[in-house]
Amino acid sequence: DQQVKQNSPSLSVQEGRISILNCDYTNSMFDYFLWYKKYPAEGPTFLISISSIKDKNEDGRFTVFLNKSAKHLSLHIVPSQPGDSAVYFCAASANNQGGKLIFGQGTELSVKP
Amino acid sequence: KAGVTQTPRYLIKTRGQQVTLSCSPISGHRSVSWYQQTPGQGLQFLFEYFSETQRNKGNFPGRFSGRQFSNSRSEMNVSTLELGDSALYLCASSLTSGQGYNEQFFGPGTRLTVL
Repeated sequence: DQQVKQNSPSLSVQEGRISILNCDYTNSMFDYFLWYKKYPAEGPTFLISISSIKDKNEDGRFTVFLNKSAKHLSLHIVPSQPGDSAVYFCAASANNQGGKLIFGQGTELSVKP
Repeated sequence: KAGVTQTPRYLIKTRGQQVTLSCSPISGHRSVSWYQQTPGQGLQFLFEYFSETQRNKGNFPGRFSGRQFSNSRSEMNVSTLELGDSALYLCASSLTSGQGYNEQFFGPGTRLTVL
């Protein structure tokens, strides 16, 4: 049972344009969501998070949007840069299980110069 | 501030052996979580330790176990290794556990190969 889903295994974007990565979840107990970036043979790097009391959080070029009614979140990267090329994971947790993250399968982003 | 460190980085074992992996969290972090990453299953939660107590557990067999020491360092052990245990094992630390929102910061992982 995949509680967190990233339906696009890959995404290709031109440098300078917007990258939009999507994530859906099924468990209504999830109330905290995170995005991680991962390079091969390295651990995931934390990018940005959002709690369920918000619908948007920004940090520089990264913005996460949360639509609780649709159980959907998205990560926007503007403008995209070649260094953003990596695998992006969406993760979720329930407040009573803060140390347990449920990850999506990841989306490989390729930003072309 | 030093990040999460994991040792060893690479490990080769044979079926039936056991293995112990080590994780040192970021200074001041008291929660340590372990994850397994495989191509087929993605990143899966193994267990979490906080103040030397297991707080959460994933759906892995009893061959996978862990512990946490008083200095928050953690070890995980896999006994009777199987070929399917070949994976990247990741450790993550955060400030607290349970209530509240805490980002987890990951180490570089230990690549385990079982032959």
